[in-house]
Formats: sequence, C-alpha cells, structure tokens
Amino acid sequence: GQSLEQPSEVTAVEGAIVQINCTYQTSGFYGLSWYQQHDGGAPTFLSYNGLDGLEETGRFSSFLSRSDSYGYLLLQELQMKDSASYFCAVKWAGANNLFFGTGTRLTVIP
Amino acid sequence: GAVVSQHPSRVICKSGTSVKIECRSLDFQATTMFWYRQFPKKSLMLMATSNEGSKATYEQGVEKDKFLINHASLTLSTLTVTSAHPEDSSFYICSAREDSKIKETQYFGPGTRLLVL
Repeated sequence: GQSLEQPSEVTAVEGAIVQINCTYQTSGFYGLSWYQQHDGGAPTFLSYNGLDGLEETGRFSSFLSRSDSYGYLLLQELQMKDSASYFCAVKWAGANNLFFGTGTRLTVIP
Repeated sequence: GAVVSQHPSRVICKSGTSVKIECRSLDFQATTMFWYRQFPKKSLMLMATSNEGSKATYEQGVEKDKFLINHASLTLSTLTVTSAHPEDSSFYICSAREDSKIKETQYFGPGTRLLVL
C-alpha cells in the first residue's frame, strides 16, 4: 500500500550535519514536502520538492529522486532548537490531503 | 504567512460529554480544511476532509456520527467529539488549504489536546 517510511530516531551533535531519509513504494504523487514538529506543537512547513533534485532553504535542504523512490531532508549546522520530529509528506494523485510519513525524532546533543 | 487558529488549545472533559473544537483561517479563505489526529510519538493521521457547504469526507475507520464536522463558512470548520471516551484522548490538529494559492500548501493550526477522564 501507500506508505512513507522514515527512521524513527536520529541523534546528532550540535554543529554537525544530519540527513533524514524518506522512502516510498508507490509513486504517483505531486511532490514531497517536509514538516517540523516540536513537542506539543503543530507541524510547520520546511521545504517542498516538486521536481527531482535539491532545494535549499538556509540551513535546510531537501532532495527528491523519483527514480530511486526516496527523498531526504538535510539539516546543516545543527542547533539545539532543531531537536524535534520531522515528517515527510506527499499528496497522492487524486487526493486532496497530505499523507504523512512515519516521522523521525531528531535529538541534538551538545 | 497564512495563519490558522484552533480553540481550545487544551480541554479536559468527563467521559460521555461532547467537545467542540474550532478551526479558523484568519487571513485567507479555505474551502477545504482537514482534521488530523495524532497519538503520542506517532504520525498525523487524517480523520476527515471538511468541505465548505457540503458534507465532510471521512477516512476509513473514522465514525462520522462520533466525530461531527461542520464547515459553515470559508474560514471556520468545527469538529465535535460526541460522547467522548478515554480512548478519544489525543492531539487534534486542523489544517487549511488556501483557495487562492496555486502551490499545494496546507497551513496547520496549533492543535487541541483532548484528555477524556
């Protein structure tokens, strides 16, 4: 069925770079989005890949490869405030809503 | 950017009572709004799609008689959890899609944490 798989947890050191992958089985979506969610808060939009390739927004970059059926979010110069959950999301063809991945809990340590 | 508000932010109620949650798009019109539910350390799961002026579309497994949705205007959708039980305790998040935007972007409300005792 349709699913977006992410690693459940990632730990990285402050100042480092971390990559969070999102893999899928079924294609047929319009684009891949990434959202950040702090504990108790709402998801906030980070990045969107409508086409294959790399999109850069400040410290955050996102990549999509439809031929390889995966995308990733790259966070550079990690800060403590980046500790949060990160979700990839797609809108499947024919659907109105966003479908969220399993989520990755990022913990940044000193 | 576009702002979506939810009210209340937190609610505690007794089992058997009904709870209404409001979702408002503050500076844009939204024909379509979405209601998600999120359990601790889990992903967001779509419950239903709220359509202004028509009936909501519910996802499989979501009881429409238990989770009543009303989308009476282009800026307001309400979710009523009827006869709430402890298993309904969760984080409920709404989102709205701005009608005027071409790019597919959903704006999320801050969420409502429901605790049913």
